[in-house]
Amino acid sequence: DGGITQSPKYLFRKEGQNVTLSCEQNLNHDAMYWYRQDPGQGLRLIYYSQIVNDFQKGDIAEGYSVSREKKESFPLTVTSAQKNPTAFYLCASSIATDSYSNQPQHFGDGTRLSIL
Amino acid sequence: AQTVTQSQPEMSVQEAETVTLSCTYDTSENNYYLFWYKQPPSRQMILVIRQEAYKQQNATENRFSVNFQKAAKSFSLKISDSQLGDTAMYFCAFMKGGSQGNLIFGKGTKLSVKP
Repeated sequence: DGGITQSPKYLFRKEGQNVTLSCEQNLNHDAMYWYRQDPGQGLRLIYYSQIVNDFQKGDIAEGYSVSREKKESFPLTVTSAQKNPTAFYLCASSIATDSYSNQPQHFGDGTRLSIL
Repeated sequence: AQTVTQSQPEMSVQEAETVTLSCTYDTSENNYYLFWYKQPPSRQMILVIRQEAYKQQNATENRFSVNFQKAAKSFSLKISDSQLGDTAMYFCAFMKGGSQGNLIFGKGTKLSVKP
């Protein structure tokens, strides 16, 4: 079955440590996205990528980094510069959008990141 | 900048009854899309229904339908014959037409369906 796989499901970070969240999709989607979800809040966009080797900052990119070396993969690194990383992180993908159609996004099951 | 507002943090409904979740948005765009996503306790985000702003007809998906009022910038979700499995967080989301797919979410409404 096609879908989006996020791993790990739970992740713990020590102070000053960088951690990487994995996101893999086999839907052959061009576009991929990372969102952060805090309690009582909607999802906020961290980074997105429309094609391989290209990505753009979202609304809350500070303290995060991404790469898009393969179409199927869009890992997110939470760096030590992100002072409040405890949150639920969701990865999504969609068919690439253009001026004539905007495609709905399909989401993974998420990774919960906590500070030790 | 676009904003999405869900004014009902929590709602409850009896099984088999009908419930309406409200959503308003603010935009100066004329071409856009609106979505309702469901997030059950498993935390996965599931697309419930989608509406294109240029379409006057309200979208319907089985028990789920929307009341799209473009002039009022309102996009409510009606769930008919509520089922226990409908218990979840519901998020309203906005996407500008021709954008790179960036979704703007409301803060969500927690719906509880009671037996």
